Amino acid sequence: GAGVSQTPSNKVTEKGKYVELRCDPISGHTALYWYRQSLGQGPEFLIYFQGTGAADDSGLPNDRFFAVRPEGSVSTLKIQRTERGDSAVYLCASSLTSAGEQFFGPGTRLTVL
Amino acid sequence: SQQGEEDPQALSIQEGENATMNCSYKTSINNLQWYRQNSGRGLVHLILIRSNEREKHSGRLRVTLDTSKKSSSLLITASRAADTASYFCAAYTGGFKTIFGAGTRLFVKA
Repeated sequence: GAGVSQTPSNKVTEKGKYVELRCDPISGHTALYWYRQSLGQGPEFLIYFQGTGAADDSGLPNDRFFAVRPEGSVSTLKIQRTERGDSAVYLCASSLTSAGEQFFGPGTRLTVL
Repeated sequence: SQQGEEDPQALSIQEGENATMNCSYKTSINNLQWYRQNSGRGLVHLILIRSNEREKHSGRLRVTLDTSKKSSSLLITASRAADTASYFCAAYTGGFKTIFGAGTRLFVKA
């Protein structure tokens, strides 16, 4: 009876490295969101998936960020050539519909040294 | 940049008192949602109010929506220490984005 899970819970990496963050949504939820949250701020929208396709990726800050959801369930957020400014908590959420209640995972805290 | 803005940024009250938080947003919305977050990690959905609704209740929560003023308020009645958390409004604009505000940090003193 799982909620949304995210792995790893914490990730420390060095500037310039590549990282992958994973999200397991609630089974049957077709809508999946990625957000980024900095200290003292609200979640910042990154990308939205409906099924396998990215319906809206307008929140991705630049082309170092990419996300996939190949089978319409698990999603991976990929960050290339990480920078110190990428340090934040990355949150994933899923919902039954795009307009409905979102169920959030616990987040991955990314620290770029 | 965030579309929603919460007011106040921080609120400290005694247990048993009511807490009111306000949210303003910039564009037309399909619905507006309120979330709670403890310890800076996962958010928990509290209540959703649609653009054609003016007020909604859920337990000790009361939400109002004024689309003409592009604002919403969340009232928590008879607050408890366990209500201590950050509260965010989230505007769903009808595309695919949900835009969160910066949040109100509520501290309820026992």
